[in-house]
Amino acid sequence: ELKVEQNPLFLSMQEGKNYTIYCNYSTTSDRLYWYRQDPGKSLESLFVLLSNGAVKQEGRLMASLDTKARLSTLHITAAVHDLSATYFCAVRLSGGSNYKLTFGKGTLLTVNP
Amino acid sequence: ETGVTQSPTHLIKTRGQQVTLRCSSQSGHNTVSWYQQALGQGPQFIFQYYREEENGRGNFPPRFSGLQFPNYSSELNVNALELDDSARYLCASSQGEDYEQYFGPGTRLTVT
Repeated sequence: ELKVEQNPLFLSMQEGKNYTIYCNYSTTSDRLYWYRQDPGKSLESLFVLLSNGAVKQEGRLMASLDTKARLSTLHITAAVHDLSATYFCAVRLSGGSNYKLTFGKGTLLTVNP
Repeated sequence: ETGVTQSPTHLIKTRGQQVTLRCSSQSGHNTVSWYQQALGQGPQFIFQYYREEENGRGNFPPRFSGLQFPNYSSELNVNALELDDSARYLCASSQGEDYEQYFGPGTRLTVT
């Protein structure tokens, strides 16, 4: 059974600082997603990572994927208050016809002035 | 282009009752997946429908059932509600099994 672990689960940081959220998964996957969720809202897709070494950047967020280590990172550069939200990684198993996503527990990010 | 919509937004039910949640997929999407998100947790996969057939199921009991209609909209039915069924239920649609899923706003279900 695929397990997805995120850490930290809670992250409080100051504006302007950098930090990284980690996502480890237990079995081979062919696709990894990062989502953002604001309180009471749905999931907003941030990045889709398809291959080993993939790196994607959007604004102050950068995601990378190491399929050999089964690890993805979401790096936050010079955080601003608007980035406060919960961030989830989600992994899709390789093969088969069931394309379900398995999510981590999420990282609650609070950016303080 | 209309995104994924869900109804109702929020509802309150009593233990033992039955509930039906609805999802309209994004235009051009033929696949719908349902997820349960308990408070403070990541979403958990319930099942997926592809062209009106169930295409995979997570670890949920049979009292969770679903339907997909010819227009690819979908329903999630939960019988014999339990307190632990209180959660946000998200549906996600995609162009096919192998495509990115787009999530709707969710339905918040409270079971008392």
